[in-house]
Amino acid sequence: QKEVEQNSGPLSVPEGAIASLNCTYSDRGSQSFFWYRQYSGKSPELIMFIYSNGDKEDGRFTAQLNKASQYVSLLIRDSQPSDSATYLCAVKGAQKLVFGQGTRLTINP
Amino acid sequence: GAGVSQSPSNKVTEKGKDVELRCDPISGHTALYWYRQSLGQGLEFLIYFQGNSAPDKSGLPSDRFSAERTGGSVSTLTIQRTQQEDSAVYLCASSLDPGHYGNTIYFGEGSWLTVV
Repeated sequence: QKEVEQNSGPLSVPEGAIASLNCTYSDRGSQSFFWYRQYSGKSPELIMFIYSNGDKEDGRFTAQLNKASQYVSLLIRDSQPSDSATYLCAVKGAQKLVFGQGTRLTINP
Repeated sequence: GAGVSQSPSNKVTEKGKDVELRCDPISGHTALYWYRQSLGQGLEFLIYFQGNSAPDKSGLPSDRFSAERTGGSVSTLTIQRTQQEDSAVYLCASSLDPGHYGNTIYFGEGSWLTVV
């Protein structure tokens, strides 16, 4: 079992709709959780992080964490074509940060 | 500099040659990570340095790979006797003390390695 798992996609969402990205992790001791966005040929950039159960909102983005079920999700409201990218979930235990394989998201105009 | 700096940005090398990749982290960041990303794949953890602690080398794929961090700042990733499967982008990242939940890591632009 991989430490961090994501559906590789591609996930296709119409412009203006809500995009929902999911991630599960295996280490119950994981402490903090991150979502990165990566455009083709570019390095990952941080969208947001979360470490408490529940929802955390930042603009059009909402991260949701459920430690009991060991999943974290990212919702993108009012999706824009510029949101088309690969979204990487990353999970940190005591030290190192482990990434999932990423979900490729396409927003269709 | 303001961000994580990596060099070279692109490297083409012949199979069997050694290569060195350099990373200069954000000033003041005690943690430094190396990841590898093959085309269309996720980030593969290679090695992690934190302060003066022994590095976590658990992700290094073979003994051809090694890394060091001098003076708690600049790091060099060395690949000996390169193979074609080593072709990938090598990403360096740094962060403040990773023991604090909110201290995220910031990536450099990567070193694109092609072994021919």
